[in-house]
Amino acid sequence: KQEVTQIPAALSVPEGENLVLNCSFTDSAIYNLQWFRQDPGKGLTSLLLIQSSQREQTSGRLNASLDKSSGRSTLYIAASQPGDSATYLCAVLRDKLIFGTGTRLQVFP
Amino acid sequence: NAGVMQNPRHLVRRRGQEARLRCSPMKGHSHVYWYRQLPEEGLKFMVYLQKENIIDESGMPKERFSAEFPKEGPSILRIQQVVRGDSAAYFCASSPGRDLMNTEAFFGQGTRLTVV
Repeated sequence: KQEVTQIPAALSVPEGENLVLNCSFTDSAIYNLQWFRQDPGKGLTSLLLIQSSQREQTSGRLNASLDKSSGRSTLYIAASQPGDSATYLCAVLRDKLIFGTGTRLQVFP
Repeated sequence: NAGVMQNPRHLVRRRGQEARLRCSPMKGHSHVYWYRQLPEEGLKFMVYLQKENIIDESGMPKERFSAEFPKEGPSILRIQQVVRGDSAAYFCASSPGRDLMNTEAFFGQGTRLTVV
């Protein structure tokens, strides 16, 4: 059974810091991994998709890496801003999309 | 191309009533997933459907819950005889499903069900 864990559960940092959010999964037989952002009381916004054959994807200040063999992914956020405050979720796809527990990020001015 | 549309956004039901949640996938998407998010908890998989077929319902409670995705029209998640524990946000996602490596799931804004 696939289990997805995210560390840390919560993070509070001053504006401008570079951040690393971690995601680990127990079954490496995945098609892809997706990072999402969820604002309080809102839906999910897709940030990045990494295929199982890829090592990383970049979008603006976001960079996600994937090490399938070790069951790990990291989301790197450069020069964090207060607008980045949200919950970040990773999810792996095999026969269905399984979500991690989430990292609640707060960036203060 | 409109995104995944869920309605209603908010739904209040009394205990014992039925709740119907609707999800219209993105244009060209034939795969739909339903998830439930309890307060302060993560997203839990409920059911995965393709047009007219239930592919995986391993996350659905055995009683009172059902889902369908007809050939025409939206996907429906139906909860009969609701109880307070059903209060949650229900999210729908869709994907084209043709190439799983590139399959990116897009989520709706969710339906927040409150049982009073």
